Amino acid sequence: EAQVTQNPRYLITVTGKKLTVTCSQNMNHEYMSWYRQDPGLGLRQIYYSMNVEVTDKGDVPEGYKVSRKEKRNFPLILESPSPNQTSLYFCASSRLPTYEQYFGPGTRLTVT
Amino acid sequence: QKEVEQDPGPLSVPEGAIVSLNCTYSNSAFQYFMWYRQYSRKGPELLMYTYSSGNKEDGRFTAQVDKSSKYISLFIRDSQPSDSATYLCAFRNQGGSEKLVFGKGTKLTVNP
Repeated sequence: EAQVTQNPRYLITVTGKKLTVTCSQNMNHEYMSWYRQDPGLGLRQIYYSMNVEVTDKGDVPEGYKVSRKEKRNFPLILESPSPNQTSLYFCASSRLPTYEQYFGPGTRLTVT
Repeated sequence: QKEVEQDPGPLSVPEGAIVSLNCTYSNSAFQYFMWYRQYSRKGPELLMYTYSSGNKEDGRFTAQVDKSSKYISLFIRDSQPSDSATYLCAFRNQGGSEKLVFGKGTKLTVNP
């Protein structure tokens, strides 16, 4: 089954404790992206990747890191999480051009 | 002026009603127009995609684009309780950036 998987689905952590949210797709898509979704603010792009070893900032990259060492994986790293990073995070992948993006199930992160 | 504006609702209608969801945009470079549907606790999924001005129909759904007015609409005929979801409009430039720009979403509830 074609899908984007994210882990963990739910995470509660404390300020400053480094964490990684994994994202994997099995559709051989070139393009991958991370979004955060907040009430009243909608979906905002954090980082994206056009292919292996090619990443770039989206609209809200501060406090996040990514890497793309393999085509199927695109982990999101929070080196020192803060409460304002409490959000619902989605990973997405797509062929190019990107009009049809496939989204993962989401990761709900709470930073206390 | 915001790049994309979408009324967040919520919108509540009886089963069988015709629903109209709308977005306005200000960026003339947008050439691809999409509607995504997001069920509660799920990632968004592409519902409809169109490139040109005019109407595109798919079953009970019709996407309408008016480039001259920078206005897009999604019509749902004979709405069903299973249509209850948040609907997000999305836009993409022609060529250049692969970025999708999303509206904030309209929450729709169809009551049996």
